[in-house]
Amino acid sequence: AQTVTQSQPEMSVQEAETVTLSCTYDTSESNYYLFWYKQPPSRQMILVIRQEAYKQQNATENRFSVNFQKAAKSFSLKISDSQLGDTAMYFCALDTGANSKLTFGKGITLSVRP
Amino acid sequence: EAQVTQNPRYLITVTGKKLTVTCSQNMNHEYMSWYRQDPGLGLRQIYYSMNVEVTDKGDVPEGYKVSRKEKRNFPLILESPSPNQTSLYFCASSLWASTGANVLTFGAGSRLTVL
Repeated sequence: AQTVTQSQPEMSVQEAETVTLSCTYDTSESNYYLFWYKQPPSRQMILVIRQEAYKQQNATENRFSVNFQKAAKSFSLKISDSQLGDTAMYFCALDTGANSKLTFGKGITLSVRP
Repeated sequence: EAQVTQNPRYLITVTGKKLTVTCSQNMNHEYMSWYRQDPGLGLRQIYYSMNVEVTDKGDVPEGYKVSRKEKRNFPLILESPSPNQTSLYFCASSLWASTGANVLTFGAGSRLTVL
């Protein structure tokens, strides 16, 4: 069975600063995908970034980047130049190929202060 | 616009009164799935469907039923709702089921309260 752990329930960051959200996971599979989803107050689930386990290069999407440490089973999200619109709950998720089921962490609430 | 549509978005009901949450996608996706989101638990898979007439249980299927008679529709049925089914429900779809190669498209969510 696979697990995803987000140990920080909430974080706060000043606008324009950088923040890192932590995530660890566990799986016995050798090939898998990791995701970060954003859930703003509208409740919509929005894909932020995706990482393929067999790719060593860390994924980046504009202000969002990940630090993927496969041996340590760690997958953190870095948000640079934080904006007020980044205020949301962020979920880390793992897909090992078992029927496209995503295993989610508990989520972290990020607040960006003006 | 490519999307997953859920209805109703909000529903308050009473224990034991059967209800159905509809889910429809217009992307010709083969794979569809239902999740529930609860505080402190993240999202958990209820049921999924690999294709028409093919459904299977996820991690928390108790108290739910699904059907997949048409490719575009995947309704979630609560035959006798109970208060512990109060939750936020998401329907999601992808082109096919494989290891992360197809990103899930989520519906907007349905907030269900069972009194």
